[in-house]
Amino acid sequence: KQEVTQIPAALSVPEGENLVLNCSFTDSAIYNLQWFRQDPGKGLTSLLLIQSSQREQTSGRLNASLDKSSGRSTLYIAASQPGDSATYLCAVAPHSGNTPLVFGKGTRLSVIA
Amino acid sequence: NAGVTQTPKFQVLKTGQSMTLQCAQDMNHNSMYWYRQDPGMGLRLIYYSASEGTTDKGEVPNGYNVSRLNKREFSLRLESAAPSQTSVYFCASSEGRLVNEQFFGPGTRLTVL
Repeated sequence: KQEVTQIPAALSVPEGENLVLNCSFTDSAIYNLQWFRQDPGKGLTSLLLIQSSQREQTSGRLNASLDKSSGRSTLYIAASQPGDSATYLCAVAPHSGNTPLVFGKGTRLSVIA
Repeated sequence: NAGVTQTPKFQVLKTGQSMTLQCAQDMNHNSMYWYRQDPGMGLRLIYYSASEGTTDKGEVPNGYNVSRLNKREFSLRLESAAPSQTSVYFCASSEGRLVNEQFFGPGTRLTVL
């Protein structure tokens, strides 16, 4: 059974710092991996999707990498801002196309001004 | 283009009452999902519909039923609500073939007294 782990559960950094959020999964046979952001009391917003054949994806100050063989993904946030404060969730799709995601429990990020 | 919409946003039920959570998407997606989110447990899959006319159980289906009414709509029914079903419920959808990027609705916050 696929399991997804995110460490640390919470992280607090000063504004302007570059930071890395970690995600690990137990079964390397994934179809893709998706990073989400969730603000308190809100739904999930998709940030980046990495297909199993890709090594990384970038969007603005965000960069996500994928190492399938080691079962790891990282989300790099450059020059963090207070507006980046949220919970970041990692999820993997175990099979192709239309299978549900398996989620980690998230990392709660606080960026202090 | 509203994406994924859910109604209601909030609901309070008494034990034993029934209700239906509604979800609709306007992205012509094939696959739809229902998750629940609880503190410390993360997001867990209740039911999903890989395509119109099909539904499958997820990790925590007991106490719930679903209906894929058409390609746009996927409803979740609680026949006899229990306090253990107090949670935030999220509906999601994905194209469901080549690219399994999931998009989430804003959620329904349900309290069962």
